[in-house]
Amino acid sequence: QKEVEQNSGPLSVPEGAIASLNCTYSDRVSQSFFWYRQYSGKSPELIMSIYSNGDKEDGRFTAQLNKASQYVSLLIRDSQPSDSATYLCAVILNRDDKIIFGKGTRLHILP
Amino acid sequence: EADIYQTPRYLVIGTGKKITLECSQTMGHDKMYWYQQDPGMELHLIHYSYGVNSTEKGDLSSESTVSRIRTEHFPLTLESARPSHTSQYLCASSEPGTHYGYTFGSGTRLTVV
Repeated sequence: QKEVEQNSGPLSVPEGAIASLNCTYSDRVSQSFFWYRQYSGKSPELIMSIYSNGDKEDGRFTAQLNKASQYVSLLIRDSQPSDSATYLCAVILNRDDKIIFGKGTRLHILP
Repeated sequence: EADIYQTPRYLVIGTGKKITLECSQTMGHDKMYWYQQDPGMELHLIHYSYGVNSTEKGDLSSESTVSRIRTEHFPLTLESARPSHTSQYLCASSEPGTHYGYTFGSGTRLTVV
């Protein structure tokens, strides 16, 4: 089992709808979780971090964490064409403090 | 307003040349990282450093080398470039502890011809 798993997509969502991106991780005692957005040809940009079970909201973005299920998700409300990008799930495993990145999910917002 | 800088942004160079990719950050971060990423593919950690005079190899075997003589500077060197080294190279840094994500530079897109 890979340490951080994401569906590669592409995930196509109509403009204005909610985009839901999912990620599972293998280390049960992982403590820190991040979502990065990467536009084509650009470097990753940190958009959300979450450390506790539950939801964390920031503008149109909501990160959800369920440690019992080893599952973290990112919801994007009122999706815009500018949200079209690859979204990387990242986890700090407990054995050291390096971030492990998933392969990313490509998101397409359809105008 | 990036506080981590990579130069050059693009580099096209001939096979066999020695190249150094520069990475500097002004945030005083002890931890710095080099990733390699091909277009549309995942990030691969190739080197990291937890402070001055500390360097470690990452998960992906790489023919490159790094040095960390100053906190703010983490250059990556290829002694003899080959076409297989063509890729995007991303530098990142982070604060200590396990609650901080990485800040990435803009990257260097390297093409070896």
